[in-house]
Amino acid sequence: GAVVSQHPSWVICKSGTSVKIECRSLDFQATTMFWYRQFPKQSLMLMATSNEGSKATYEQGVEKDKFLINHASLTLSTLTVTSAHPEDSSFYICSARDPTRGGIDTQYFGPGTRLTVL
Amino acid sequence: GDSVTQMEGPVTLSEEAFLTINCTYTATGYPSLFWYVQYPGEGLQLLLKATKADDKGSNKGFEATYRKETTSFHLEKGSVQVSDSAVYFCALTDFSGYSTLTFGKGTMLLVSP
Repeated sequence: GAVVSQHPSWVICKSGTSVKIECRSLDFQATTMFWYRQFPKQSLMLMATSNEGSKATYEQGVEKDKFLINHASLTLSTLTVTSAHPEDSSFYICSARDPTRGGIDTQYFGPGTRLTVL
Repeated sequence: GDSVTQMEGPVTLSEEAFLTINCTYTATGYPSLFWYVQYPGEGLQLLLKATKADDKGSNKGFEATYRKETTSFHLEKGSVQVSDSAVYFCALTDFSGYSTLTFGKGTMLLVSP
């Protein structure tokens, strides 16, 4: 149980294009989802917290106009990297919290999406 | 603010050796503590957690005890296997705001046969 999926698992795009990454909770409803970015051999950096039906809360230093987050339903959140550039290449990971399982402090992570911008 | 400090890796062990990965934390409240594991090319998986002082989290032979007096949550396993090779992240959440996770930098474990 508590499975989170991401799609696509990897994507390569040209500089200047936009890329959408989906995060789905498959067997539970997630009122809160989180988006992280992970650089090689480094820890996860929280980008934003996404609540269903409301605007995302972005961490300091994260450009909200560049990283568009939509959480339109209790099982789906999307991250759109707009006008991507090579420096946006990274591993993007989402997580979701299931308040009915594991406690409000436990997050379940997706497998990640590897973005490469040429 | 909150922070988590882990020992730097990589930690290289032979199969069946004893494992300890140190983790200490700084938090203003009473956080929950976690160990997550990331296998190559995959996302993070929750390994174990502890929610209050003196609690012991355990899973798959791994254990960690919430030590409030030393603000530590060291990960241990009595006999590691090659399949345990992964990156291990210590993390905490302090229940403020959205109860976001604060991660350590991760420790890579390499187990050889």
